[in-house]
Amino acid sequence: KNEVEQSPQNLTAQEGEFITINCSYSVGISALHWLQQHPGGGIVSLFMLSSGKKKHGRLIATINIQEKHSSLHITASHPRDSAVYICAARGVSYNTDKLIFGTGTRLQVFP
Amino acid sequence: NAGVTQTPKFQVLKTGQSMTLQCAQDMNHNSMYWYRQDPGMGLRLIYYSASEGTTDKGEVPNGYNVSRLNKREFSLRLESAAPSQTSVYFCASSPRGTSYEQYFGPGTRLTVT
Repeated sequence: KNEVEQSPQNLTAQEGEFITINCSYSVGISALHWLQQHPGGGIVSLFMLSSGKKKHGRLIATINIQEKHSSLHITASHPRDSAVYICAARGVSYNTDKLIFGTGTRLQVFP
Repeated sequence: NAGVTQTPKFQVLKTGQSMTLQCAQDMNHNSMYWYRQDPGMGLRLIYYSASEGTTDKGEVPNGYNVSRLNKREFSLRLESAAPSQTSVYFCASSPRGTSYEQYFGPGTRLTVT
């Protein structure tokens, strides 16, 4: 079992729908990252959070440390949101400064 | 401000050949990382450098070496390429460790035949 699990693996939506992508982890963490990988392969950071909630435009990320769970929400989805969304956790127990990555959620938004 | 740059973008090697992947950042970041991405797997850390002058192994260091040439540059060397090293390689940097936002390069697609 991976230490960081994402669900669903694949997601299709119609333009305008509300999207939720989930990330759960099995170890204590000090930070969780959400990344977006474009169809061309480039990776950009969306959020880094250690508690609560962050919002940027139509994207919202939440984390519940006790439940070891984070969600990424996209409101009013658009075809340009089509990408792979990756969560990555920085564990408190790691003796190296590294992230453990989920395998990603592939989102396709159709007009 | 170019961010994180990587060269080359694509490379094909024969088994046993060597090559160096170059990475540079112009954001004055302390920490730099090399990852590989394989189908169906998450990104995996090969090596990282917490600061200029230091390097440490990640999850999958076998077959690779790194050099933190200066604060800007972090190179990854394959001494004797193997087909198992066929992958997409990403360099990343952050101001100071993984509790800070990560900035990724565009990636290098490497095929070893």
